[in-house]
Parts: sequence; structure tokens; C-alpha cells
Amino acid sequence: DAKTTQPNSMESNEEEPVHLPCNHSTISGTDYIHWYRQLPSQGPEYVIHGLTSNVNNRMASLAIAEDRKSSTLILHRATLRDAAVYYCILIGYNQGGKLIFGQGTELSVKP
Amino acid sequence: DGGITQSPKYLFRKEGQNVTLSCEQNLNHDAMYWYRQDPGQGLRLIYYSQIVNDFQKGDIAEGYSVSREKKESFPLTVTSAQKNPTAFYLCASSIDPILTSGQETQYFGPGTRLLVL
Repeated sequence: DAKTTQPNSMESNEEEPVHLPCNHSTISGTDYIHWYRQLPSQGPEYVIHGLTSNVNNRMASLAIAEDRKSSTLILHRATLRDAAVYYCILIGYNQGGKLIFGQGTELSVKP
Repeated sequence: DGGITQSPKYLFRKEGQNVTLSCEQNLNHDAMYWYRQDPGQGLRLIYYSQIVNDFQKGDIAEGYSVSREKKESFPLTVTSAQKNPTAFYLCASSIDPILTSGQETQYFGPGTRLLVL
């Protein structure tokens, strides 16, 4: 199974940008990079996904390295409601299409 | 509003008892999934179903059973064979099975916390 590596925790100040890194050195050419986040005692929610090009949506931006061995989720202005565990997940044929969740990065946001 | 509902929010199980967790979706999604989450851990796949009357085991299916008689419903039974059932259980769905591409988004319910008495 393709593995992702994320820092266990990160801290940010409110209204500042946050860059959450993810390493996936064994990614295959057909794997998509997905990000989900999970607020305390809730189910995960989808944030963003991409294949090769950088992606933007209303929640965040996803920057993908040229060799695709790493990616960064960017929250442009962190709010207290962004405090959550963020999961970086590879999805594709090699994973049998399954979501394989690691331990994620716990983001805390200070006012 | 479309979404996924799970009930109950908290469930208590006695030793040797089977309990059933409910999952309903009105998103008209074909695929549904059950995950287990232990404290401080990521999610692990228990069972998934790509279509009505069909389901496959995930990574930790032992001690669990499911059915998929209707598109909207995918109940999970935690049997007495599951010796360590205390966990947070999450149900999810996607438009198509994520086997078909890497782009499918999964939508999650609010979860059921199962505790053993």
C-alpha cells in the first residue's frame, strides 16, 4: 500500500497561512492525492484533491511537487474552526481504490 | 438536505451481545463504506459495498457483518465475535465506487461511538 508521511502536529496563529506537508515517495503515476480533515468527534470531510497540477477551491489550495513525491495543503487564512486532524491520502488502482488513512496532522490554531 | 445519517450517536454493548449500527444516505450514491477509528488513530476499512446486494470485506472484517438490501441503507452488525468493539464507527458513501477512479469523494456520516459495558 502506498504510504504517506505527515508531521504528527502543527500549530498556527489565527488569520495566518498554514502549510501542511505530506510526503508520498512511493506514489504511482495514477494515484490521486486527496486531503480530508476531521474535526473532533465528527466524521472526516473532503478538502481537496489533485493529480499533477496545483488545485484551488474555496477551502484550500493543494501544491503538488513536480516529481509528485510530496504535496502541501495550504490554508490561506487559518480560523479557529480549521483546528482539526488533516489526512493526506493516496487513492488509485494500487490501493484497490480504498482510502488508506494514516495518523494525519493535528492542527491547532491559536487566537 | 442530502446527507448521511448514523444512529445512534452512542451505543452500549453488553458482553456476548450483537448490536447493529444504522447508516442511511439520501445522496443516491451507489457505494457505501464502514470504517472503524480507535483513539488517536486513522480510519480502518471494515466493509464496503459497491452496489445493492453486494459487499466486500475490508481490512478488519472479522467480528462484523453487513447487509445491503436497499441502496439507501448499509447497516453494520458488531457480533459477539468482535472481542474489542469499543471504537468510533463511521459510515461513508460515494457516487461511484472509488475503485473506478482516483477522483471519487467520500461523504461521511457523524459517527456512532460504541462502548462496552
